[in-house]
Amino acid sequence: GAGVSQSPSNKVTEKGKDVELRCDPISGHTALYWYRQRLGQGLEFLIYFQGNSAPDKSGLPSDRFSAERTGESVSTLTIQRTQQEDSAVYLCASSLLGATYEQYFGPGTRLTVT
Amino acid sequence: AQTVTQSQPEMSVQEAETVTLSCTYDTSESDYYLFWYKQPPSRQMILVIRQEAYKQQNATENRFSVNFQKAAKSFSLKISDSQLGDAAMYFCAYRSAWGTGNQFYFGTGTSLTVIP
Repeated sequence: GAGVSQSPSNKVTEKGKDVELRCDPISGHTALYWYRQRLGQGLEFLIYFQGNSAPDKSGLPSDRFSAERTGESVSTLTIQRTQQEDSAVYLCASSLLGATYEQYFGPGTRLTVT
Repeated sequence: AQTVTQSQPEMSVQEAETVTLSCTYDTSESDYYLFWYKQPPSRQMILVIRQEAYKQQNATENRFSVNFQKAAKSFSLKISDSQLGDAAMYFCAYRSAWGTGNQFYFGTGTSLTVIP
């Protein structure tokens, strides 16, 4: 079946502009995660959505970052007034609900802020 | 919060040889899951292997196996008969068994080079 998809694959934006990144999880996966990966670094947790529960936003680095999810499907990560330090790969992952289940990752969106 | 440490930023191995990647973690929980993920240059993270903490037997997936030492909080990955396609970043990850949607905690990764 289809995996996790993300769009766009690459995004170049000017400092100060807003960007929206999209994630389509695997159908039936109620848990959805966003991560940031700076060049040569590990994964930095941003936010996760768990079914109909309130999302865990504890990883969002500032109020310029926000994310929404429509039911158990598409999610968008929005970065307002982008800064150069926002340049990174943004990875989305989805999972079945339950601790035993691994995450399935999308290919990521490479964001470059000039 | 749980922490995951990968102390080897880079490793290299000769093709067909065996390499071990280290991972340690810090937790006060008794039930949890541990994962190794592979991230090739394509950026696509792929699950390599998973270990349930309540299982004493080490997980094995073809050429990949782990050495899980619960008391030492160590979870190393052994890659046997290394192939060129094994070259990638490898991330160790921890997830609590409690709750239904807990965070994954990732290490900083080990970059593996396979020398022909």
